[in-house]
Amino acid sequence: QVQLVQSGSELKKPGASVKVSCKASGYTFTSYAMNWVRQAPGQGLEWMGWINTNTGNPTYAQGFTGRFVFSLDTSVSTAYLQISSLKAEDTAVYYCAREGGEYCSGGSCYTKGIDYWGQGTLVTVSS
Amino acid sequence: DIQMTQSPSSLSASVGDRVTITCRASQGISNYLAWFQQKPGKAPKSLIYAASSLQSGVPSKFSGSGSGTDFTLTISSLQPEDFATYYCQQYNSYPITFGGGTKVEIK
Repeated sequence: QVQLVQSGSELKKPGASVKVSCKASGYTFTSYAMNWVRQAPGQGLEWMGWINTNTGNPTYAQGFTGRFVFSLDTSVSTAYLQISSLKAEDTAVYYCAREGGEYCSGGSCYTKGIDYWGQGTLVTVSS
Repeated sequence: DIQMTQSPSSLSASVGDRVTITCRASQGISNYLAWFQQKPGKAPKSLIYAASSLQSGVPSKFSGSGSGTDFTLTISSLQPEDFATYYCQQYNSYPITFGGGTKVEIK
């Protein structure tokens, strides 16, 4: 069965860095892209971007460029989110979420969107 | 960016009720619309993709419809485990955007 297991909660001081891991199992890691989604306390879901697990090419949403880096270690089926120069407003739960496969209809194929989520990693930034 | 507007933002319903949540996109997104369920303190769960197709393992009491700009999620007979917050999401174009959520509470 597909599982995405994320690393544990982090407490960091402003200006520090954090690296969140997302270990995948139950499927071929490089066959499905990985998304990252942020949820600030008491707020909704915010898409941060995605990484092509086959090529390693990342795409970042506006607002998540510069301090945010998506990376991979395909040898251990793991995706990473690194955030540098942490600020209090980075306090949130961060989710990895697998981009599902494709379905075909009428001669064309389309993505199924996000199908599986990690359990989330709470990053707290506080002095 | 495409704005996704859900209504209502919250609702109260009883066990057994039929519940409908609406999601409107600020521009046409074809059927690139997904629905997610999130319970307090838990990760979201994927329910529906392509506006009306159930993700694997999702019970048939959930259904989705719509195309273009207007979409609905319907829960045919609300059960205690369905009390949660529901989000729509468009994945027609970047950046992917979510609706603000609809909290379904017990009446």
